[in-house]
Amino acid sequence: AQSVAQPEDQVNVAEGNPLTVKCTYSVSGNPYLFWYVQYPNRGLQFLLKYITGDNLVKGSYGFEAEFNKSQTSFHLKKPSALVSDSALYFCAVRVPGAGKSTFGDGTTLTVKP
Amino acid sequence: DTEVTQTPKHLVMGMTNKKSLKCEQHMGHRAMYWYKQKAKKPPELMFVYSYEKLSINESVPSRFSPECPNSSLLNLHLHALQPEDSALYLCASSQAAGTAEMGEQYFGPGTRLTVT
Repeated sequence: AQSVAQPEDQVNVAEGNPLTVKCTYSVSGNPYLFWYVQYPNRGLQFLLKYITGDNLVKGSYGFEAEFNKSQTSFHLKKPSALVSDSALYFCAVRVPGAGKSTFGDGTTLTVKP
Repeated sequence: DTEVTQTPKHLVMGMTNKKSLKCEQHMGHRAMYWYKQKAKKPPELMFVYSYEKLSINESVPSRFSPECPNSSLLNLHLHALQPEDSALYLCASSQAAGTAEMGEQYFGPGTRLTVT
């Protein structure tokens, strides 16, 4: 079984400030973890993933995420937010052999100028 | 080329109509997916094709019928839909299939379906 939680429906930050979008997961086994972003009226775009190795993963558009096995978390971060980062963000988890990913409910990020 | 294309972009159909959604990718991916997404909700998996064979059907009603003619194409045939089927339908593909699924998914822009 695999599940993922995004505890915040909405995150608001000021432009230039650091941002964090939270994700926790529950799996039996080693997880593959993903972050996707969705802009209005668009499909999801892949940002980054953790498979194995270094716990700090760097991705597109300056985003990074840290895998924390003890806390079963995979929070998305960016040192300096841009207004253009405003979008809907989804965390996803997949267990090897499951054949599919499970998505969190999503977090709407709003970056204000 | 990392693009997944979907046609049409918008579709309005009556409850007695038959229509099809099309999806295409040329990345050599061997896993392809159909998702349904309601506004501001996560995508809900409908079907997974792995090496052109249906590997997962998430108990989708039979009024939705998937088809994978070849490794690049994925269709979703629609018949006798209900108004609650109105949603954004997303196609996705990923490089890996089977038990070694570490690949991220690439999504198309979706088809906005309205059932009247």
